[in-house]
Amino acid sequence: DGGITQSPKYLFRKEGQNVTLSCEQNLNHDAMYWYRQDPGQGLRLIYYSQIVNDFQKGDIAEGYSVSREKKESFPLTVTSAQKNPTAFYLCASSIDRWGLNYGYTFGSGTRLTVV
Amino acid sequence: AQTVTQSQPEMSVQEAETVTLSCTYDTSESDYYLFWYKQPPSRQMILVIRQEAYKQQNATENRFSVNFQKAAKSFSLKISDSQLGDAAMYFCAYRSLHNQGGKLIFGQGTELSVKP
Repeated sequence: DGGITQSPKYLFRKEGQNVTLSCEQNLNHDAMYWYRQDPGQGLRLIYYSQIVNDFQKGDIAEGYSVSREKKESFPLTVTSAQKNPTAFYLCASSIDRWGLNYGYTFGSGTRLTVV
Repeated sequence: AQTVTQSQPEMSVQEAETVTLSCTYDTSESDYYLFWYKQPPSRQMILVIRQEAYKQQNATENRFSVNFQKAAKSFSLKISDSQLGDAAMYFCAYRSLHNQGGKLIFGQGTELSVKP
């Protein structure tokens, strides 16, 4: 079955460490997105990519980095510059980078905790 | 910039009753999509219903329907015959049709509880 796989499900990070969250899709979707979810704030866009080797900052990109070397993969690195990284992270994809097809597919998320 | 507001952090409904979740949005665009997503305790986001702004007819999906008021920029979700499985966090979301990469803008969410 096609879908989005996020790993790991739970991740613990020490202060000052970088960590990378994995997001893989086998849907042949062009566009991929990373959202951060905090209680009472809904989902906020971190980065998005419309095509391989290209990505744009979202609303809260500071302290995060991404790459899009392959169509099916869009890993997110949470750097030590991110002041409050404890959150739930959701990856999503969309078949169409122009917004003409409105369907989103979400992964099951990664819970990141700083210890 | 577009914004989405859900003014009800929590709602409660009795099983088999009807409940309406509110959503308002702000945009200067005339063409866009609106969505309601459900997030159960598993945290998996599930699309409930979508509405194209150019369509005057309100979208319906089984027990779920919307009241889309374009001039008022309002997009409420009605759940009829509520079931225990409807208990979840519900998010309203906006998607521009202009070239913004297809990103979704979410409201803060409404947590719905269903009482047996």
